[in-house]
Order: sequence, then structure tokens, then C-alpha cells
Amino acid sequence: QPVLTQPTSLSASPGASARFTCTLRSGINVGTYRIYWYQQKPGSLPRYLLRYKSDSDKQQGSGVPSRFSGSKDASTNAGLLLISGLQSEDEADYYCAIWYSSTWVFGGGTKLTVL
Amino acid sequence: QVQLQESGPGLVKPSQTLSLTCTVSGGSISSGGYYWSWIRQHPGKGLEWIGYIYYSGSTYYNPSLKSRVTISVDTSKNQFSLKLSSVTAADTAVYYCARAPYGGNKVGAFDIWGQGTMVTVSS
Repeated sequence: QPVLTQPTSLSASPGASARFTCTLRSGINVGTYRIYWYQQKPGSLPRYLLRYKSDSDKQQGSGVPSRFSGSKDASTNAGLLLISGLQSEDEADYYCAIWYSSTWVFGGGTKLTVL
Repeated sequence: QVQLQESGPGLVKPSQTLSLTCTVSGGSISSGGYYWSWIRQHPGKGLEWIGYIYYSGSTYYNPSLKSRVTISVDTSKNQFSLKLSSVTAADTAVYYCARAPYGGNKVGAFDIWGQGTMVTVSS
């Protein structure tokens, strides 16, 4: 089982909200980790969006709008990326990452379609 | 503003060593405060961290690649480099260099990335 699991795709309408999940493998407690989120638009390099561990330990990437936010769902052991007020330009792949066992581990990514 | 630029051969033969260099401009590697990283992305796939280096030469590698990877730094040229030995077609990927801030005994996000360079392993 991978360390981080992300759904392969997500669709949402312009103006709506999108909720991305990044589920940590059983036995790895989401509460312990800073979850990092990256956005990669087609043909482009990844862009750091934000980091979330708790409300007192979070960071927004430089120039990233506040409609991008992070959270956690302890009940499902998942880190969450929330995008409100979806725009067509948000269409991209979204990756989560954690520093685990002295290694950076990335999730497989979720492709967001805005339609 | 800091910029990173990868350079190196776009085609490498199987069993040979892949060598890439990342040139940092707009800032000095030797100032400290950052880890300098290599990350790759197989075609149509997700991201895979290869490893990173501090200006002092301290390195961390992905255990899955550790036996084949060497990352080095040349502060005089403001560059850091990747060598990946015994390559196969499975090493065909876009290779990115990236910067990660270091502070409070923690390494942060990859906040600045190079444009990436495609490396194909083929005879």
C-alpha cells in the first residue's frame, strides 16, 4: 500500500469548491505530519501551494490565493486541499507530499477538471 | 529572484551514467538556508524525489535510488549536480532541480523549481 494515496481525478464546476484528499497509509498518523500540496498545470513545472499540519502550523505559498487552503480529516487519516471559487485556470494535477522516514514521498496526484 | 536551470544530455545509453547540473542564479548556494534537490517525473506520471544536498555537502537520498545516486555541489560555480549510474529505460523522465528552505531543523517545501529537462534512456 502506498504511503500516500490520492484519487486519480476530480471534477467540479466553475465557482464551486473542490476537495482533494491525500490519505496516509494505515499506521502513519496524519496528525504527525506536515502535508504539502503542489499544483502542476499541463506542460508546466510544479508550483508549491501550501503546507498544513494544524491551524497553528501552516504556510501559504508565495502568491497563492487564500481560496486555496489546507485541512485534515483525522477520521479518515487524510490531508485535505480545499479550493473555493474554482476557476478554469485551476485545472491541473495536484500532488500531496510528506517527509516520511527520511524521504520525501509524493502522492500519485489528482487531476482536476473544471467543467 | 532565485532561478534554477537544469542542463545536461537529453539522451543517455542504457547502463551508462546520467549526469545533470543545476545552475542557481539570483542567489548563492553557499549562503546556506536551503537544501538543493533533484526530483523526477516519469512521462505521464507523478513526482519522485531523488535526493538533496546542503551547501556543506550534507546529502539525503531516496532509499530506492540511493545505491545509484550521487549529488554534489560546487559552490564556486553556484551549481549542484546529479549523477545516476547504471541507467535503464525506467530512468527516462523529466528531471527537475528545486530548492527547499531549511530552518529550525526542518526542511520545507520545494518552493522554487527549474524548468525541468527531459532525459531519455535509449540505445
